[in-house]
Amino acid sequence: ILNVEQSPQSLHVQEGDSTNFTCSFPSSNFYALHWYRWETAKSPEALFVMTLNGDEKKKGRISATLNTKEGYSYLYIKGSQPEDSATYLCADETDSWGKLQFGAGTQVVVTP
Amino acid sequence: DAMVIQNPRYQVTQFGKPVTLSCSQTLNHNVMYWYQQKSSQAPKLLFHYYDKDFNNEADTPDNFQSRRPNTSFCFLDIRSPGLGDAAMYLCATSRGQGGYEQYFGPGTRLTVT
Repeated sequence: ILNVEQSPQSLHVQEGDSTNFTCSFPSSNFYALHWYRWETAKSPEALFVMTLNGDEKKKGRISATLNTKEGYSYLYIKGSQPEDSATYLCADETDSWGKLQFGAGTQVVVTP
Repeated sequence: DAMVIQNPRYQVTQFGKPVTLSCSQTLNHNVMYWYQQKSSQAPKLLFHYYDKDFNNEADTPDNFQSRRPNTSFCFLDIRSPGLGDAAMYLCATSRGQGGYEQYFGPGTRLTVT
């Protein structure tokens, strides 16, 4: 993998259901992996910054895991709510300069 | 209590007419970034500042310039916008480089007519 890739591009979830989606990134030259949530007409908001292989982070109903050896991260949403509807962006850093290479995002729509 | 502010939220400019987008922050962060996001694509870093040190990405067009007169403000100048420059422009800040979360403004959507 040369670029950051996210799948699926979009998904529709019924309220109350749990879901997860993937971020794949080049496993060489890894420094950190970021997740952001971007709601329509708002600013992207940081969810997690992960640096260690095997890292698991949690914020409320949202959690993320990281596998730096194989180059992927999963984001999980437990018991989805309509307010979880947003585009979820992941980005990797490959050095200490703080430069992010983003994926195109996974758009999540939660329907009541 | 907005922390990263971008003005305007929507900007329409004519082909070839210079345009400036502005970003201000109340976080007193050292690092500021400008990203360009074209429709349904990944946001792409254009340049960033560490304090006054300017870092241009290798593939950022010469048409794009930036100024950071002080810690709080950063500007993106597009000297001669083309139709291909229509995009969402995002400004972000962080406390430091390497492993720090970034704080984003809401973006300026630029239309070129």
